[in-house]
Amino acid sequence: DQQVKQNSPSLSVQEGRISILNCDYTNSMFDYFLWYKKYPAEGPTFLISISSIKDKNEDGRFTVFLNKSAKHLSLHIVPSQPGDSAVYFCAASRYGGSQGNLIFGKGTKLSVKP
Amino acid sequence: DAGVTQSPTHLIKTRGQQVTLRCSPKSGHDTVSWYQQALGQGPQFIFQYYEEEERQRGNFPDRFSGHQFPNYSSELNVNALLLGDSALYLCASSLDTGRMNTEAFFGQGTRLTVV
Repeated sequence: DQQVKQNSPSLSVQEGRISILNCDYTNSMFDYFLWYKKYPAEGPTFLISISSIKDKNEDGRFTVFLNKSAKHLSLHIVPSQPGDSAVYFCAASRYGGSQGNLIFGKGTKLSVKP
Repeated sequence: DAGVTQSPTHLIKTRGQQVTLRCSPKSGHDTVSWYQQALGQGPQFIFQYYEEEERQRGNFPDRFSGHQFPNYSSELNVNALLLGDSALYLCASSLDTGRMNTEAFFGQGTRLTVV
């Protein structure tokens, strides 16, 4: 039973345009959500997070939106750059993330073409 | 500032053998979590160590065990290896401040191949 789902295995975007990565979850007890980026042969790198008490969080080119009623979150990257090409993982946790038990989706491979 | 370091980076073992993977957390971190990432999947939580005790455990058999040392470094042990244990093993460290919303920092992983 997959509690965090990333239904698009891959996404291709032109440089300068917006990239939108989507994530759905099933467990209403999740209260903290994170996005990680992973390059080949490296561990995941934390990108941005959002608490369930918010519906939007911005950090530079990255914005995460949370729709609790739909149990859906999305990551927007504007403008997309070739260096953003990586696998993006959505993760969720309970207890505000402090317990460290993250539930990950399967990832979406983003390719940004010059 | 050294981040999370894992050793070895690659390992090949034979079915039925035992393996030990090592992790040094990011400086200042006191909590270590281990994840297994199979090919094409997201990382799956194995367990977490805090104050040298296993604090939380995911859905993994007892063949998977761990340890945390006084300097916060950690080991993951897997006994009676199966072919299905072949995966990337990731260590993540964080700081337990008692507040909400702490981010985990990951190491580069150990690629384990069981033949």
